Amino acid sequence: AQTVTQSQPEMSVQEAETVTLSCTYDTSESNYYLFWYKQPPSRQMILVIRQEAYKQQNATENRFSVNFQKAAKSFSLKISDSQLGDTAMYFCAFMAYFQGAQKLVFGQGTRLTINP
Amino acid sequence: EADIYQTPRYLVIGTGKKITLECSQTMGHDKMYWYQQDPGMELHLIHYSYGVNSTEKGDLSSESTVSRIRTEHFPLTLESARPSHTSQYLCASMRAGEVNEQFFGPGTRLTVL
Repeated sequence: AQTVTQSQPEMSVQEAETVTLSCTYDTSESNYYLFWYKQPPSRQMILVIRQEAYKQQNATENRFSVNFQKAAKSFSLKISDSQLGDTAMYFCAFMAYFQGAQKLVFGQGTRLTINP
Repeated sequence: EADIYQTPRYLVIGTGKKITLECSQTMGHDKMYWYQQDPGMELHLIHYSYGVNSTEKGDLSSESTVSRIRTEHFPLTLESARPSHTSQYLCASMRAGEVNEQFFGPGTRLTVL
């Protein structure tokens, strides 16, 4: 079974600081994808960043970047120059083909608060 | 504007009532999903569909049922609501083919008294 673990239930930093959210996963699959999703309070879940397991280069999207360590099965998210609008629940998610199906497996989430 | 919609956003209902949660998307996506999420908790897949007339159960057992008669529409039905069904239900869709981003609706927060 595929599992995703986020060991930090809550984090809080000051505006403009850099913060790193941790995620580890367990799988026997060789071809898979990893995602970070953001769920702001009372708003829709949106994709922050994605990483294909076959790519060695870490994905980057503006202030968001990942540290993908395939051997360690680790996929952390770094948010640079944090902003008040980054306050949200962040979910790490894993996707592979399960018997032909494409399903997301989510971690427990990290509640991130950016303080002014 | 291409999007994914869910109605109602909030629903409070008594035990034993039949309810249908609506989900529609205007992106032409073949794949659609229903997730159940307790407040502040992870999402669990309860149903998914690869296209018209295709429905499958997800990883979390659910007493709900789904149908997919039209590509854009993926409603979820509870025949007899119970307090244990109180949760948030999120609908998502994804384009077929290679792995892509799943787009999520705003969710329906269901409370069964």
